[in-house]
Amino acid sequence: DIQMTQSPSYLSASVGDRVTITCQASQDISNYLNWYQQKPGKAPKLLIYDVSNLETGVPSRFSGSGSGTDFTFTISSLQPEDIATYYCQQYDNLPRFTFGPGTKVDIK
Amino acid sequence: EVQLVESGGGLVQPGRSLRLSCAASGFTFDDYAMHWVRQVPGKGLEWVSGISWNGGSIAYADSVKGRFTISRDNARNSLYLQMNSLRPEDTALYYCARHPGGVWGQGTLVTVSS
Repeated sequence: DIQMTQSPSYLSASVGDRVTITCQASQDISNYLNWYQQKPGKAPKLLIYDVSNLETGVPSRFSGSGSGTDFTFTISSLQPEDIATYYCQQYDNLPRFTFGPGTKVDIK
Repeated sequence: EVQLVESGGGLVQPGRSLRLSCAASGFTFDDYAMHWVRQVPGKGLEWVSGISWNGGSIAYADSVKGRFTISRDNARNSLYLQMNSLRPEDTALYYCARHPGGVWGQGTLVTVSS
């Protein structure tokens, strides 16, 4: 089974800061990598699909990059409404998903 | 509007069974694989089970293998999860999600407790 690791597990940053989260797969997953945002009491919301494609309606301050086993998610300028937990997810081996353990983002 | 609506959750005693349903609308259901994902309140997302568009390929997390059964009825635009031999550690909010992940329901809460 493909395992996903994610770091950090928690980060606190100031409004306007650049925030970066990394995600690593235990084997090559090509570009089958999504990033989600989840706020308390809500279902996960897809932000980035296929590593770097922005879902419709998602602000351009969110971006993703990487390939193979190493991936990065970036918020270019952190906003108060970005307080949430962020998850990476691989979908290389249909019909399976694997999620990273999540990164909780807070405002300093 | 593309939508997934889960139902069937509730309070159940350990060892008993429960069947979850997920009603899909607003898209061509049999074009997509579907998944069940669960989340213990305050914890991370755990993939539970997935099924291909025609039911020909099915997979389960090790934690539920042999106890849970996923199925779908494309004529009814519905996804199901039959959960048997429930354990307290199965307590979670259960989501259905469309592959590869852009559409999720709001979840149905399953509580396993005596």
